Amino acid sequence: AQSVSQHNHHVILSEAASLELGCNYSYGGTVNLFWYVQYPGQHLQLLLKYLSGDPLVKGIKGFEAEFIKSKFSFNLRKPSVQWSDTAEYFCAVKHNAGNMLTFGGGTRLMVKP
Amino acid sequence: EPEVTQTPSHQVTQMGQEVILRCVPISNHLYFYWYRQILGQKVEFLVSFYNNEISEKSEIFDDQFSVERPDGSNFTLKIRSTKLEDSAMYFCASSGAGGVAYNEQFFGPGTRLTVL
Repeated sequence: AQSVSQHNHHVILSEAASLELGCNYSYGGTVNLFWYVQYPGQHLQLLLKYLSGDPLVKGIKGFEAEFIKSKFSFNLRKPSVQWSDTAEYFCAVKHNAGNMLTFGGGTRLMVKP
Repeated sequence: EPEVTQTPSHQVTQMGQEVILRCVPISNHLYFYWYRQILGQKVEFLVSFYNNEISEKSEIFDDQFSVERPDGSNFTLKIRSTKLEDSAMYFCASSGAGGVAYNEQFFGPGTRLTVL
């Protein structure tokens, strides 16, 4: 069964610091990869996705992620975080032929002003 | 912007009672999903639904659970006889058909179910 690991459970950064959140998955087939964000009191929103093609994908609000197939990783990055990026971030994987999203455990990011 | 809505936002029930959680997916979407998140645990897939039938389900989705699209807008999750361990946040999601639209699932705000 596929699984997704997010190694950082809690991250605290100051504004303007750079961010990288790790995500690794275990599945040997063709996958689609996603990062979702949940702001306090709000629902899950899609930040970005990798379906095929260029392994470096750009999403909303200045976020990007790089799919490294050999490392089974899809790390999320942002060069300079803002206080408004305080949220919980979830990595998710979907087998190319199925519907099911498998989520990581989430990373709570707190950005100090 | 269109969004997925869920009602109620919080449901409290006694063990053994039946509950129905309701969702209104985005209107032109054709795939519907339920996920749940037990407090402190990962978001887990329960079931997907397309063309009026279940297309995929997880081990969690046993005979106690059922889904239905009773009309053109609602999508429901029924738990027949709730157990304490069913206490969780339940998320509904929907996606369009074909290509990129199929791959992007839009989530609702969730229903927090508390079983006493």
